[in-house]
Amino acid sequence: NAGVTQTPKFQVLKTGQSMTLQCAQDMNHNSMYWYRQDPGMGLRLIYYSASEGTTDKGEVPNGYNVSRLNKREFSLRLESAAPSQTSVYFCASSDGGYLGDTQYFGPGTRLTVL
Amino acid sequence: GQQVMQIPQYQHVQEGEDFTTYCNSSTTLSNIQWYKQRPGGHPVFLIQLVKSGEVKKQKRLTFQFGEAKKNSSLHITATQTTDVGTYFCAGRGTGANNLFFGTGTRLTVIP
Repeated sequence: NAGVTQTPKFQVLKTGQSMTLQCAQDMNHNSMYWYRQDPGMGLRLIYYSASEGTTDKGEVPNGYNVSRLNKREFSLRLESAAPSQTSVYFCASSDGGYLGDTQYFGPGTRLTVL
Repeated sequence: GQQVMQIPQYQHVQEGEDFTTYCNSSTTLSNIQWYKQRPGGHPVFLIQLVKSGEVKKQKRLTFQFGEAKKNSSLHITATQTTDVGTYFCAGRGTGANNLFFGTGTRLTVIP
């Protein structure tokens, strides 16, 4: 099992460009999450999907959109990238309900917006 | 809004010394989780605490959940170089939908 996979690993964008970060899990988990990690800020939840077909905003959703394509895949889209979105993005998944579940993280995408 | 604060932000110890990181929430938590992130890596789940006053041990690691369920600590006895990384607590408020991560404590172990 690969667990949680993310593509790409690294990306450099210019301000205003768009891109989609891909995430897939092969653990048959119901819930999936997108976090961003900034120095000194810990991990902050952007969006989550408690189950296939549902998505909800997290702590910092502005400037992002998500799609839960199927049970395995959860993508994060930046429509018009800004330098403030320079960060490391982690996708995670968990089994069952999202309350109190162990989260399994992907390797991360390091995004720089110039 | 809910906040989870973690101290210290950084800690340097000599190999063999003990290490403790503390996590404090502004609100009562339904549970708390601890994760470890190695340099350049991703967070990896260590443990979850649910009950008031709960104490759990994993070899040299001891995790505690406060009686009021608003704070937690992770203590490492006799640190080793393999303990290097950033330790995060993550708390979920009662009735809350999100898991709020602390800012993390970066541990450096000097051989």
